[in-house]
Amino acid sequence: ILNVEQSPQSLHVQEGDSTNFTCSFPSSNFYALHWYRWETAKSPEALFVMTLNGDEKKKGRISATLNTKEGYSYLYIKGSQPEDSATYLCAFPNYGGSQGNLIFGKGTKLSVKP
Amino acid sequence: EAGVAQSPRYKIIEKRQSVAFWCNPISGHATLYWYQQILGQGPKLLIQFQNNGVVDDSQLPKDRFSAERLKGVDSTLKIQPAKLEDSAVYLCASSGITGITAEQYFGPGTRLTVT
Repeated sequence: ILNVEQSPQSLHVQEGDSTNFTCSFPSSNFYALHWYRWETAKSPEALFVMTLNGDEKKKGRISATLNTKEGYSYLYIKGSQPEDSATYLCAFPNYGGSQGNLIFGKGTKLSVKP
Repeated sequence: EAGVAQSPRYKIIEKRQSVAFWCNPISGHATLYWYQQILGQGPKLLIQFQNNGVVDDSQLPKDRFSAERLKGVDSTLKIQPAKLEDSAVYLCASSGITGITAEQYFGPGTRLTVT
C-alpha cells in the first residue's frame, strides 16, 4: 500500500513569515505528485502537478520543488498572509496513475496570524 | 464554468439511520470520485466512476455504503445504516481526463456527524 507522509501536521506563523513543509512518497516507481490547498468551508483546489525530478513550480508567493530520487517535495510560502491559512495536501497517483485516482497525505494545516 | 456541486453541506443523523449525498460534477467530466475525509486523515477514495461504470470501489464498505451514477452525470452516495465512525467530510470530485497529471476538481463537501 502506497504511503504519503506530510510534515509537520500543523504550523502557526506570523504574517510576513516564510514557511515550508514536506511531502514524502515512495521514490520507486514515481509517476507524479499533486499539491492541493483546502481552505476551511471551501473546496480543495489544485496548486501544482509535478512530474520531473528537479521540477520547480511557482504560483504567486507559493512554490514547490520535487526530488524523485529521494522521494520528497517541499512547498514554500514566501511572506505568509492570513489568506494562506489552509490545509495543504499532497497526493500520489494510485495504480500508476492508470485510473487517475489519488492517495492523499494527511495534510499540513497552516495558520497565519495577522 | 460552474464548479462541482454537492448537497447537503451539513448533515447530523443518529447511528443506524440512513443518509444520502448528492453530487453534480462539472459539465462534460466523465470521471467522478467520492472521497471520505475523517478528521486528522487525508481524503480516502471510496469509489471512482468513469461515465456510469465503476472503475474502483475497492475501499467502499459495501455492506453499508452504495453509490450510483445512473446517467453518467450526477451521482448519489448512500450510507445505510450509519455508524459513529462514518462521521467525516464526504468530498465529490470530477475530472475531464484520467492519468497521472489529471487535475481533480472538488466540491465543497458534505460534513456528516453521526451521533
